[in-house]
Amino acid sequence: EPEVTQTPSHQVTQMGQEVILRCVPISNHLYFYWYRQILGQKVEFLVSFYNNEISEKSEIFDDQFSVERPDGSNFTLKIRSTKLEDSAMYFCASSEEKNGDEQYFGPGTRLTVT
Amino acid sequence: GENVEQHPSTLSVQEGDSAVIKCTYSDSASNYFPWYKQELGKGPQLIIDIRSNVGEKKDQRIAVTLNKTAKHFSLHITETQPEDSAVYFCAASKENTGFQKLVFGTGTRLLVSP
Repeated sequence: EPEVTQTPSHQVTQMGQEVILRCVPISNHLYFYWYRQILGQKVEFLVSFYNNEISEKSEIFDDQFSVERPDGSNFTLKIRSTKLEDSAMYFCASSEEKNGDEQYFGPGTRLTVT
Repeated sequence: GENVEQHPSTLSVQEGDSAVIKCTYSDSASNYFPWYKQELGKGPQLIIDIRSNVGEKKDQRIAVTLNKTAKHFSLHITETQPEDSAVYFCAASKENTGFQKLVFGTGTRLLVSP
């Protein structure tokens, strides 16, 4: 069964450094999302992406964040200058065009900012 | 914006018992309500969903009910098994256009004891 994959599974970085989290969505899906989950808290929406542009973003997704689909398979989230409060699990999700609501999540990348 | 409340936060049952998790939502325009199961160290897994044009949906041991008037929906798991132990999240979104964000509840930790 096709699934969303994410790399790395765990990323440790120092405050102020740039990180890029990578995702490979399910191959026939057209909508892509990033969510984050701070330890012990609910999953929060960051951004959705369709047709090579952001379709919606939350207040969390400020100028430090950017997303890109650099090729036909990868979908990336970049944090330019990490802060301690960026430490969280970051989940990528994707959905197909026909049943776009059904979002399928990857296993996540645990980001630790020290 | 949409706000989703979920309870209980923890639920302990004996194997074979039923478990019920309840969620309420605030935005009457929401019309898609998925449930996700998250096992330790993994991403949320879509287990069942319901759209606002139906009141109940069942898939083997799990079922979801929706009361649009009261703006609440529930997950029912019958004949629980130890492998049902996980954190369950409800979510809500609007429209059926494919790139609508999911707003998650706070999660319920279900523990099924043998």
